[in-house]
Amino acid sequence: DTAVSQTPKYLVTQMGNDKSIKCEQNLGHDTMYWYKQDSKKFLKIMFSYNNKELIINETVPNRFSPKSPDKAHLNLHINSLELGDSAVYFCASSQEVQFSETQYFGPGTRLLVL
Amino acid sequence: DAKTTQPNSMESNEEEPVHLPCNHSTISGTDYIHWYRQLPSQGPEYVIHGLTSNVNNRMASLAIAEDRKSSTLILHRATLRDAAVYYCILTWNNDMRFGAGTRLTVKP
Repeated sequence: DTAVSQTPKYLVTQMGNDKSIKCEQNLGHDTMYWYKQDSKKFLKIMFSYNNKELIINETVPNRFSPKSPDKAHLNLHINSLELGDSAVYFCASSQEVQFSETQYFGPGTRLLVL
Repeated sequence: DAKTTQPNSMESNEEEPVHLPCNHSTISGTDYIHWYRQLPSQGPEYVIHGLTSNVNNRMASLAIAEDRKSSTLILHRATLRDAAVYYCILTWNNDMRFGAGTRLTVKP
């Protein structure tokens, strides 16, 4: 009964490919997020969605496109993968959009672009 | 551009208390102080948060200075499973920015 799950856990791919990472939460939360953790271990928010609507869109290349089919899912599609996209990507959710709300993180997807 | 300052690393002995400091001198009146931790190869995990008053939960205590410019996360009895990177985060302007955190090592 994992609260926030991500698939796949590991993803190794070639430069130029297109890939997707899926995220699902079973907590009944309204808000979901994508974070990127780079090799220096800094966690940076990329996107947040509230009830399937985009709330935060940080300065992220438009090769990254989040898609929320329903409020329990927030998938991340990446086009034309580059070496610099290699990182760990974390999905998270919270009850509401306010950042005073506790966020629950998934286990991460480790992306390696060769 | 996290708005908090934490020591890069700290060490503790098992079963002893640990006090993890955080400075946030530019905190605004509406900022909450959150603490998360990240165990090796896992996603961040919520620890505790507060606004003005000290807070206690089953994991830890949070002591907030009267002027709110600093706070301290207190683990009452460190265990080996508490070894992690601890992040002190101010939630401001609908955004949550992680800094480098404090890497806590617990020695048996």
